[in-house]
Amino acid sequence: DVKVTQSSRYLVKRTGEKVFLECVQDMDHENMFWYRQDPGLGLRLIYFSYDVKMKEKGDIPEGYSVSREKKERFSLILESASTNQTSMYLCASSLVGQGRDQPQHFGDGTRLSIL
Amino acid sequence: SQQGEEDPQALSIQEGENATMNCSYKTSINNLQWYRQNSGRGLVHLILIRSNEREKHSGRLRVTLDTSKKSSSLLITASRAADTASYFCATDSTSGTYKYIFGTGTRLKVLA
Repeated sequence: DVKVTQSSRYLVKRTGEKVFLECVQDMDHENMFWYRQDPGLGLRLIYFSYDVKMKEKGDIPEGYSVSREKKERFSLILESASTNQTSMYLCASSLVGQGRDQPQHFGDGTRLSIL
Repeated sequence: SQQGEEDPQALSIQEGENATMNCSYKTSINNLQWYRQNSGRGLVHLILIRSNEREKHSGRLRVTLDTSKKSSSLLITASRAADTASYFCATDSTSGTYKYIFGTGTRLKVLA
């Protein structure tokens, strides 16, 4: 089974801090994704990466950056954390596949609180 | 922008009953996927239906797709308490990227 591991289940940080969320997958997937999930808004894509060092902005990239130095690891960085970034963050990975028909495999999420 | 919109937002049924959830989307798609999320956990892929398919089955799950109406439905038959979860549809686009857009989900509660 594919395993996507997020480094922390719960995280509390202070406003203005630089925050790193780490995600590792063990199935050699090309694609990796970062979402945030908020009540009533569903999942919103922050960034995704289709190869090492390659990234593409999602729908809400402002205030975030990402890093993918190795195929199995995709990091989300909050440059200067703000209270409106308090949320559940979900990482996912998938194969490339034909016709973009591969399922995404999710980690269990990091619940981040910014105080 | 929101692509998939699930309906209803919440659904409560008795164990053994069938549960139906609907998803509407706005633009042309190659395929549509359904996911389940248990409380406090990540999403788990349930089933994928391609744009040239009208119906698909997997165990107690039945998914339909009507591309003319830009809608899909997920039917869970003979529901169990363990089916209590949130269910999301996710649509790709024909724009050529690997982005999927998720809806806001249907919260299903199955009462024992």
